[in-house]
Amino acid sequence: GNSVTQMEGPVTLSEEAFLTINCTYTATGYPSLFWYVQYPGEGLQLLLKATKADDKGSNKGFEATYRKETTSFHLEKGSVQVSDSAVYFCALSDRNDYKLSFGAGTTVTVRA
Amino acid sequence: DVKVTQSSRYLVKRTGEKVFLECVQDMDHENMFWYRQDPGLGLRLIYFSYDVKMKEKGDIPEGYSVSREKKERFSLILESASTNQTSMYLCASSITGGGETDTQYFGPGTRLTVL
Repeated sequence: GNSVTQMEGPVTLSEEAFLTINCTYTATGYPSLFWYVQYPGEGLQLLLKATKADDKGSNKGFEATYRKETTSFHLEKGSVQVSDSAVYFCALSDRNDYKLSFGAGTTVTVRA
Repeated sequence: DVKVTQSSRYLVKRTGEKVFLECVQDMDHENMFWYRQDPGLGLRLIYFSYDVKMKEKGDIPEGYSVSREKKERFSLILESASTNQTSMYLCASSITGGGETDTQYFGPGTRLTVL
């Protein structure tokens, strides 16, 4: 079956630090990969996505590259801000039925 | 913008009560989903629906049922609430086709406490 493993948190950083959150996956087919973000008190929002190998998704300074050879989709941002404090979820979709499988989530706190 | 709304942000119920969680989306999406979110477990799919009056079990359907009488509305029902159903419940929707089928849009969540 499909599964997603992401690095455990919590992660605490200072403003302008480099952020990376590791995500690896197991899938039987050719999934799409996603990063969702959940700000305090809110639902999940799509941050970025990639639909095939070597695609790079990017948004709000965040990037992630779909690496089929290492089955990974690591999230990176070069210079974080306090407003990036949130829970980040890696996910994959099974294109046969459009369901999403989520990782456990990583809580990121950015201090001024 | 896609908008997914949930009937309550916070809900407190007693063990054995019947609980209804309502979700409405305003973008004519075919697909709707109910998840529960628990610390350290991420999101787990309870039920989903591809069309009106259609439903399929997700990964953890036990103790839950759903209803979809209209395209825009998807209800989650706890027939007899138990304390282990205390959780955050998230509703999502997605469109079929157009390259966006697997992008889900989420509501703000309902934090349910069962006493």
